[in-house]
Amino acid sequence: DTAVSQTPKYLVTQMGNDKSIKCEQNLGHDTMYWYKQDSKKFLKIMFSYNNKELIINETVPNRFSPKSPDKAHLNLHINSLELGDSAVYFCASRSGQGAFNEQFFGPGTRLTVL
Amino acid sequence: RKEVEQDPGPFNVPEGATVAFNCTYSNSASQSFFWYRQDCRKEPKLLMSVYSSGNEDGRFTAQLNRASQYISLLIRDSKLSDSATYLCVVSRTDKLIFGTGTRLQVFP
Repeated sequence: DTAVSQTPKYLVTQMGNDKSIKCEQNLGHDTMYWYKQDSKKFLKIMFSYNNKELIINETVPNRFSPKSPDKAHLNLHINSLELGDSAVYFCASRSGQGAFNEQFFGPGTRLTVL
Repeated sequence: RKEVEQDPGPFNVPEGATVAFNCTYSNSASQSFFWYRQDCRKEPKLLMSVYSSGNEDGRFTAQLNRASQYISLLIRDSKLSDSATYLCVVSRTDKLIFGTGTRLQVFP
């Protein structure tokens, strides 16, 4: 039983393409996130949604558009992919909002832009 | 300067050793504090929360000093399976802010 799942696990694509990464959690959590981990292994938040509503947008280029069809899903669509978008993207979820609860991470999607 | 600073290591220690990691954070509005563990090519997983009173979980002890904005993690009796990257994390409102991680390698 995977708590937070992401597809695909690996994504290799050409510059300029548009791609999507899907995330689903079966924990009943209200809040979901997207993080980016770059080649230097630095993990940084991109977006946060609570009950399908955008809560955090950390100055991410508008080529990145998250979409939450329901509170169990948070997908990430990326337009016009650039070389610098190559990274590992992690989805996460948390019960409720606020600073204190543990976040559970998905296994990551390794995106390579050629 | 990053909001959460850690020594990237690597720390190479023999099995059975005691090793300590330190972390500083710059935003005094930070509300809660954690250590996460990340194995190579895997997702981060919560190791333990960190409280001002200090807390222990088996071989792991975490400490928070709010006045100095300093967080520590002590690992006693290191095992080979402790080899990983340890991420110092602070939380403010709904955000987790990660340090760059400290890499630990335990050798036989």
